[in-house]
Amino acid sequence: DAKTTQPTSMDCAEGRAANLPCNHSTISGNEYVYWYRQIHSQGPQYIIHGLKNNETNEMASLIITEDRKSSTLILPHATLRDTAVYYCIVPLPDDYKLSFGAGTTVTVRA
Amino acid sequence: DTGVSQDPRHKITKRGQNVTFRCDPISEHNRLYWYRQTLGQGPEFLTYFQNEAQLEKSRLLSDRFSAERPKGSFSTLEIQRTEQGDSAMYLCASSRTVEAFFGQGTRLTVV
Repeated sequence: DAKTTQPTSMDCAEGRAANLPCNHSTISGNEYVYWYRQIHSQGPQYIIHGLKNNETNEMASLIITEDRKSSTLILPHATLRDTAVYYCIVPLPDDYKLSFGAGTTVTVRA
Repeated sequence: DTGVSQDPRHKITKRGQNVTFRCDPISEHNRLYWYRQTLGQGPEFLTYFQNEAQLEKSRLLSDRFSAERPKGSFSTLEIQRTEQGDSAMYLCASSRTVEAFFGQGTRLTVV
């Protein structure tokens, strides 16, 4: 899997956008970027994935740089329930297992 | 509830005992995974099934661990002769395409 680098932690104010960066400078042309999150005492939850175009769903937006060496997950209006560990993962093509790193611990504060 | 179900949610066992966990994936998901997560770490891949075939096993899966998925439906993970180092959260996930759905996990404590 391509190595990913994320900040250890970040705080965000409730109602504001949370921008979570991820570096994946060794990514190959056909490798997707996936984001999962894990709320305390729960299993991980899929958020979004993308290849090279920006993606948006009901949970978040994913912005991938043109050179694909980094990406940003955007939670547009963070709520207290978004407090979780967020994982950026780049698995090998056709390899569906996930290699979770340490992730970014996001704390949303009122 | 049509999510991934794991049983039991919690298990306390004495060192040296055998334990078995069960995972019921989402119906029609042909892929099933087991992961292990220790405190403060991200989940680590253990093994993967496509239908009933176990296609990949991590080096983390010692010979005390065995997993099955009879008939490509539910799966079991057995740990024989448990050790204190086996204490962890054991997570099951299933998928049909790229998006994996995780269960709530089974927390094992070996005393």
